[in-house]
Amino acid sequence: AQSVAQPEDQVNVAEGNPLTVKCTYSVSGNPYLFWYVQYPNRGLQFLLKYITGDNLVKGSYGFEAEFNKSQTSFHLKKPSALVSDSALYFCAVRVPNDYKLSFGAGTTVTVRA
Amino acid sequence: GAVVSQHPSWVICKSGTSVKIECRSLDFQATTMFWYRQFPKQSLMLMATSNEGSKATYEQGVEKDKFLINHASLTLSTLTVTSAHPEDSSFYICSADRGRETQYFGPGTRLLVL
Repeated sequence: AQSVAQPEDQVNVAEGNPLTVKCTYSVSGNPYLFWYVQYPNRGLQFLLKYITGDNLVKGSYGFEAEFNKSQTSFHLKKPSALVSDSALYFCAVRVPNDYKLSFGAGTTVTVRA
Repeated sequence: GAVVSQHPSWVICKSGTSVKIECRSLDFQATTMFWYRQFPKQSLMLMATSNEGSKATYEQGVEKDKFLINHASLTLSTLTVTSAHPEDSSFYICSADRGRETQYFGPGTRLLVL
């Protein structure tokens, strides 16, 4: 079975400060890891993914994430947060031979001006 | 690229009626599409996996006769909520699998059953 944990329900940061959203996962085998963002009353927007290769992956809107196999983590980061980054963020995992995604519970990010 | 649309974006219907929601991959073909349901401030719950040209695979606890799924082409999947009741009110989101790797999501459909 595969699962994802997002230990923080909410993350609050000031605009211009670094933003980190935490994610840990549990899978049998090699993970495919994803981050999505959801704005109110909208679907999920794809931010970035780790499939293989470099542990540091860069995605949309200045976000990046680092795959850490030993810690089974895939934390999302942005060096300088914007008010417009305020949204709900989901981490998700799957394994290569199964298309189903397992989602974390989500983390609400609030960036104050 | 990788745009997925849903129609309608919101719908209000009377109890007992049926509602059809369309999910289209606009710039890629998707052998597999997924239907999710999301309650306020919660994560996504997978309802079913839709494969082009074959029957959908439903998750445990999802009534297949109530939530009819058709994936007639590589760019279109439909979800029909039959005999809708107020408890079916929710936010329904579809996704399309691109390249057997990444799911791209539609904007969602808000269903309110009166």
